[in-house]
Amino acid sequence: QKEVEQDPGPLSVPEGAIVSLNCTYSNSAFQYFMWYRQYSRKGPELLMYTYSSGNKEDGRFTAQVDKSSKYISLFIRDSQPSDSATYLCAMKRAGSYQLTFGKGTKLSVIP
Amino acid sequence: EPEVTQTPSHQVTQMGQEVILRCVPISNHLYFYWYRQILGQKVEFLVSFYNNEISEKSEIFDDQFSVERPDGSNFTLKIRSTKLEDSAMYFCASELGQGDSPLHFGNGTRLTVT
Repeated sequence: QKEVEQDPGPLSVPEGAIVSLNCTYSNSAFQYFMWYRQYSRKGPELLMYTYSSGNKEDGRFTAQVDKSSKYISLFIRDSQPSDSATYLCAMKRAGSYQLTFGKGTKLSVIP
Repeated sequence: EPEVTQTPSHQVTQMGQEVILRCVPISNHLYFYWYRQILGQKVEFLVSFYNNEISEKSEIFDDQFSVERPDGSNFTLKIRSTKLEDSAMYFCASELGQGDSPLHFGNGTRLTVT
């Protein structure tokens, strides 16, 4: 079983839709969880950072962590064409410097 | 907003040649990283660097790779003898403090080994 699994998509939604992106993980030692957005040929850009179970909201973005199920989600409300990108989940163990990434989900928001 | 900058944006080299990829991390950050992303694959950790020494490295980071912070602002990744399979995007990242602060990535250097 891979450490971090993420459906690569592609996912195509109409403008204004609510988008749900998910990752599962197998290593219960992961304590820090991140979502990055990556545009083509650019570096990952941090969207959300959490380290506890529950929800964290920032504007149109909500990150959700369920450590008991080893499942994290990113919700995007009122999606815009500019949200079209690849979304990467990433996580880290306490005491480690290493981020482990999912493969990324490619999202297209159609005007 | 401060950002991590990487040069060059694209580097083409012949197999067996040495290449140096350069990064300027965010100025008050203390931890520095290199990651790579082979086309179509996951972003993979290579190495972390703190207090002028490697703090953690992956299996990918073998003897062909080295890192250096030569002057207090630049952070470099050297590949001594490049192989075709080293072709990838190489991302530098920096972090303010370990454990409870997120990484900030540069836009990468695309390395093509021919």
